[in-house]
Amino acid sequence: KAGVTQTPRYLIKTRGQQVTLSCSPISGHRSVSWYQQTPGQGLQFLFEYFSETQRNKGNFPGRFSGRQFSNSRSEMNVSTLELGDSALYLCAIPIMGRGGPGANVLTFGAGSRLTVL
Amino acid sequence: DQQVKQNSPSLSVQEGRISILNCDYTNSMFDYFLWYKKYPAEGPTFLISISSIKDKNEDGRFTVFLNKSAKHLSLHIVPSQPGDSAVYFCAAKPSGNTPLVFGKGTRLSVIA
Repeated sequence: KAGVTQTPRYLIKTRGQQVTLSCSPISGHRSVSWYQQTPGQGLQFLFEYFSETQRNKGNFPGRFSGRQFSNSRSEMNVSTLELGDSALYLCAIPIMGRGGPGANVLTFGAGSRLTVL
Repeated sequence: DQQVKQNSPSLSVQEGRISILNCDYTNSMFDYFLWYKKYPAEGPTFLISISSIKDKNEDGRFTVFLNKSAKHLSLHIVPSQPGDSAVYFCAAKPSGNTPLVFGKGTRLSVIA
């Protein structure tokens, strides 16, 4: 998806393992958000990083963590994987000039689909 | 506590007819409401938004209506096309530097 590249696109892990997902926004974007999408819960906010600092955090256990680097790239990590962590993990950056001032329109990457067996 | 609710998991509409997707919210402090469309194997794509001070916004075949007293918004697609078949997410933006809150989505199927 234009604007945000996520890797890997698909991966399979087993319970108890850990996983690291990567998000590369186009240069110049200081804000990166992560969402989890599952069929039963829709999109749920994980966290947002702004200039390498976590600005917001969703209601997820401490097994979910993230960070942002000086080049705006972001990673999220899930430790001690559980079956319920199987989901599409989406990274997003704000788009300026769309939807009206203050709308905070996000553009999303294609996501990383994680399957936990 | 779900602040944005899409109570219909799926909707099926014939090509050329109107599709109406509904969304309810509980928080009166939302500044904006947005609709996203998602195809399989892709991330959600922004479709249309509406400010909380408006009651209607239109963009081509897509119109969003906001009823603040009922805390309800709806997305109308006229005429519906097979390419509109996707999952539609309603989202709300609280004031300040707070993240978007999404509903669970409604899967729209437009039948030719």
